[in-house]
Amino acid sequence: AQSVTQLDSQVPVFEEAPVELRCNYSSSVSVYLFWYVQYPNQGLQLLLKYLSGSTLVKGINGFEAEFNKSQTSFHLRKPSVHISDTAEYFCAVSPITNTGNQFYFGTGTSLTVIP
Amino acid sequence: DTEVTQTPKHLVMGMTNKKSLKCEQHMGHRAMYWYKQKAKKPPELMFVYSYEKLSINESVPSRFSPECPNSSLLNLHLHALQPEDSALYLCASSQALTGGGEKLFFGSGTQLSVL
Repeated sequence: AQSVTQLDSQVPVFEEAPVELRCNYSSSVSVYLFWYVQYPNQGLQLLLKYLSGSTLVKGINGFEAEFNKSQTSFHLRKPSVHISDTAEYFCAVSPITNTGNQFYFGTGTSLTVIP
Repeated sequence: DTEVTQTPKHLVMGMTNKKSLKCEQHMGHRAMYWYKQKAKKPPELMFVYSYEKLSINESVPSRFSPECPNSSLLNLHLHALQPEDSALYLCASSQALTGGGEKLFFGSGTQLSVL
């Protein structure tokens, strides 16, 4: 079984300040890790993903995330946020299986960037 | 074309109505998904089709009936819904690669209200 925990349901941050959105997971099998963003009234868009290799992955819009296997974490960071980053952010895991079709999402973190 | 198109964008229906949600993609993806998302909650997986065959049904009530007529189309037939079924219904697609780790492409969703 898999579970994804995003401890911070809401994160307010001032424009141009750094931000970190936390994600922890548990799984009985190996997983791939993802961060998705959802803007109001839209579907989800992939920010970045970790499959293997370097534990620091870079994504779109200046975001990056670091995989920490010992802490089972995959925290998302951005050094300087913009107003346009205001959105809902979801961490997700996908078990490494032959079918590869299952994705499990965390409860989301609402990021609000304050001018 | 890297879009997943969902119609209609908004739907209001009574509990005795029959309606259908439609989803279309032309990226050659062979896996298609239906997710249900309540306000301020993460998407919940409902169904997965892989190569036009239903591969995952997450114990969804029978008042929701999925259909995959061909590799580009995915429908969700609705009948005798309850007010608690009101939600954003998201369609997604992916390449269906063996082993997973692939990106999900989401549509903008259909906002469903059941009266």
